[in-house]
Formats: sequence, C-alpha cells, structure tokens
Amino acid sequence: NAGVTQTPKFQVLKTGQSMTLQCAQDMNHEYMSWYRQDPGMGLRLIHYSVGAGITDQGEVPNGYNVSRSTTEDFPLRLLSAAPSQTSVYFCASRERQNEQYFGPGTRLTVT
Amino acid sequence: GESVGLHLPTLSVQEGDNSIINCAYSNSASDYFIWYKQESGKGPQFIIDIRSNMDKRQGQRVTVLLNKTVKHLSLQIAATQPGDSAVYFCAENWPGTYKYIFGTGTRLKVLA
Repeated sequence: NAGVTQTPKFQVLKTGQSMTLQCAQDMNHEYMSWYRQDPGMGLRLIHYSVGAGITDQGEVPNGYNVSRSTTEDFPLRLLSAAPSQTSVYFCASRERQNEQYFGPGTRLTVT
Repeated sequence: GESVGLHLPTLSVQEGDNSIINCAYSNSASDYFIWYKQESGKGPQFIIDIRSNMDKRQGQRVTVLLNKTVKHLSLQIAATQPGDSAVYFCAENWPGTYKYIFGTGTRLKVLA
C-alpha cells in the first residue's frame, strides 16, 4: 500500500493563479481531510469529506474548493492564489473515529 | 529548511529522562483524542489515542492521560531518546462533526 500520496511536493504560484493539489489514498478510507500548517499555528482543517460525493467545510475554507468523486481521490483547488495561502498542505485519510494517516505534504509559496 | 514550528513552545529533556507534554483541548464534548509526532519535513504520525470513557492508556514507552474535568491531555514518554525529538500535537474529535481539530503543538528537544 502506498498510503496517502500527494502531488506536487513543491509549488510556486503567482498571485491570482489557480491550481489543484492532488491527494489519493489506497486504503479504502471513508474520511479524507485537507489541513494547512503555518509556522506556530499547528494544523488547521480546510475541508473534509465523509464519503464520495459528500464534503464539508473545516476551520479555514475560504479560497479553497474540494470535490470527492471517488473514494480514493480528494483534490484541493485554489481558485485565485493569494500570499496568505503560502503554507504546507497536508491531506489525510481515516476510517471513522480511528487513526488518521497523513500524506507527505505539499509546500506552496505564493508570490 | 523547516519553517513550521518556529514559535512553538519547547520542552528540553535529557536523554533517558521521562518527558511530559501537555495539551489543553477546546471542546468539552469531544469524545476521542489523538497524539501525533511530526518530524522535520514530514507529515504527522500517529502515536496513541484515547476515548473519553478512559482516563489513561498505555502504549510502548508512551502513556496518554485524559482529565475531562479541566479539558487536559498529557503525553508521557518514558526513557526519552534522541529519535523522540520532534513536534508533538494533540487532536480532538468534535462529536457529530467528523472533524479532528489540532492543538498548536510542542517541540521536544532531547539533549545528549
């Protein structure tokens, strides 16, 4: 099993550009989440999904969209990148109220 | 280089001593709690969890204590080793929301 995979590992965007961060898991987990991690802020929940076709907002959803068309994939879209979105982004998956597995992260810089 | 955690509280312990990392959680109704370890440049890694119907749970070299009266979690690491150096986060599950909400984290430094 590859676990949770994320692409790309690094990305630099200019203000106003859009892009999609990819996340996939091969553990057949129902629940998937996106977090951002800023210095001194811990991890903050952006969006999450409890199954294919079902998504909901987390703590900091503004500026991001998600969709869940399959169990395996949970992409995060930045609609119009802003410098405030410079961060490290982590995708995670789990089975209900259990251990959550994290991907290796995507380091995003917006100039 | 790793820029995450520049302003986190830091706990420094001597190699071989026991470490105690504390966490205050936010929601008195949270019913599931997790401790994660994050090494530089990597994603968080599960250490141990505890449900709200328990006060204490032990793993290999780690113990988690839950005090629901004051909304407090602690992680005890026995015989701390250099490989334990990392940032440690607690997380709570808000009931009925499927959300895992993370605390700000504590950096553990193990001194040789």
